[in-house]
Amino acid sequence: GDSVTQMEGPVTLSEEAFLTINCTYTATGYPSLFWYVQYPGEGLQLLLKATKADDKGSNKGFEATYRKETTSFHLEKGSVQVSDSAVYFCALRAWNTDKLIFGTGTRLQVFP
Amino acid sequence: NAGVTQTPKFRILKIGQSMTLQCAQDMNHNYMYWYRQDPGMGLKLIYYSVGAGITDKGEVPNGYNVSRSTTEDFPLRLELAAPSQTSVYFCASSYIPTRATNEKLFFGSGTQLSVL
Repeated sequence: GDSVTQMEGPVTLSEEAFLTINCTYTATGYPSLFWYVQYPGEGLQLLLKATKADDKGSNKGFEATYRKETTSFHLEKGSVQVSDSAVYFCALRAWNTDKLIFGTGTRLQVFP
Repeated sequence: NAGVTQTPKFRILKIGQSMTLQCAQDMNHNYMYWYRQDPGMGLKLIYYSVGAGITDKGEVPNGYNVSRSTTEDFPLRLELAAPSQTSVYFCASSYIPTRATNEKLFFGSGTQLSVL
């Protein structure tokens, strides 16, 4: 069945470091891919998304490119800030359903 | 700007007890969802609703019940709590179905439930 695999956390970085959080997926057809973020004490919120191969989603300095050849949707940011500390969830939605499948989440901790 | 409000934030239940997790949204969204997240796992869909009076099962509905008497509220009921229901519960809503290209889910901040 469809699934999402994320790298385990926590990921610990210093401010201004480069961030990569890996996400790979298994799905039939052409799923849509998402990154959601959960800041401390808040609900998950959509960070970015891509709906077809080679699309790049971007928001708040974060980027992720839909790579069908490697079935990946890795999240990147060139220079992280302390305020980026949160849990990041990769998710997919199969092309023919309403069902969202989430990864396990990766906790990012950024220190000054 | 309340968005999606879940109560309570934390709860400890004894085995066999019942409780209702409350979820309310003030965005006039038709679509509402309940997810659970077990430690080290992704979110799994319990139940969802496409509008008042309409509910349907998700991936893991056993042990839960829902109702949707109004657009705003979507409570989740646990009738006989079991240790396997220890989890973090998230309610979410959206204006359009998740299969739509420009869909966006809005989540509550979660309820952490422990059944001992």
